[in-house]
Amino acid sequence: GAVVSQHPSWVICKSGTSVKIECRSLDFQATTMFWYRQFPKQSLMLMATSNEGSKATYEQGVEKDKFLINHASLTLSTLTVTSAHPEDSSFYICSAYWTSGLRSYEQYFGPGTRLTVT
Amino acid sequence: AQSVTQLGSHVSVSEGALVLLRCNYSSSVPPYLFWYVQYPNQGLQLLLKYTTGATLVKGINGFEAEFKKSETSFHLTKPSAHMSDAAEYFCAVTNYGGSQGNLIFGKGTKLSVKP
Repeated sequence: GAVVSQHPSWVICKSGTSVKIECRSLDFQATTMFWYRQFPKQSLMLMATSNEGSKATYEQGVEKDKFLINHASLTLSTLTVTSAHPEDSSFYICSAYWTSGLRSYEQYFGPGTRLTVT
Repeated sequence: AQSVTQLGSHVSVSEGALVLLRCNYSSSVPPYLFWYVQYPNQGLQLLLKYTTGATLVKGINGFEAEFKKSETSFHLTKPSAHMSDAAEYFCAVTNYGGSQGNLIFGKGTKLSVKP
């Protein structure tokens, strides 16, 4: 099956610093990647949709200048949390959407990145 | 707008008992429905999905779900719970008519399995 990886799996950073999270589709080309945020014991909230070679589309309430998304290739999307604060601590999950002529109707999820800002 | 409601944030069953996790959806267009499982500190794994066709969908690990349009439901069942089924389960809906696959998730149901 399709595999999506995320790196790092967990990261601790100090308040005010920036953190980059990578999302890679390992064995397929992802036309679209999604970034989700999950608070403890809560559901996933879509942050943004990113398409290769174009600007990401952010959901309402998500600060695009704080959460920078770059989808540089069909296999890599990055999320950079700039000037991180403790309230940015969360579990970030990416997913990749794969189409192959016929629509796939399925997103493949990465294992997630646990961000802790101290 | 689409939405998903999962009844019961926490369900507890005994090993070997029936598992029933409830999901109701709201959608103005034919929905595509999904159940995902999440183990602690991990991403989501697709259990099963309904797009079109047969309304009873079989998934991995012995799970199945039935799409009932009249009840706007997509409940997840498993005849006999196993300890390894303990996890968080999310129901999700999307309409691929014009979107790129955005998923709307329910709040999740934590399944506990007692020995």
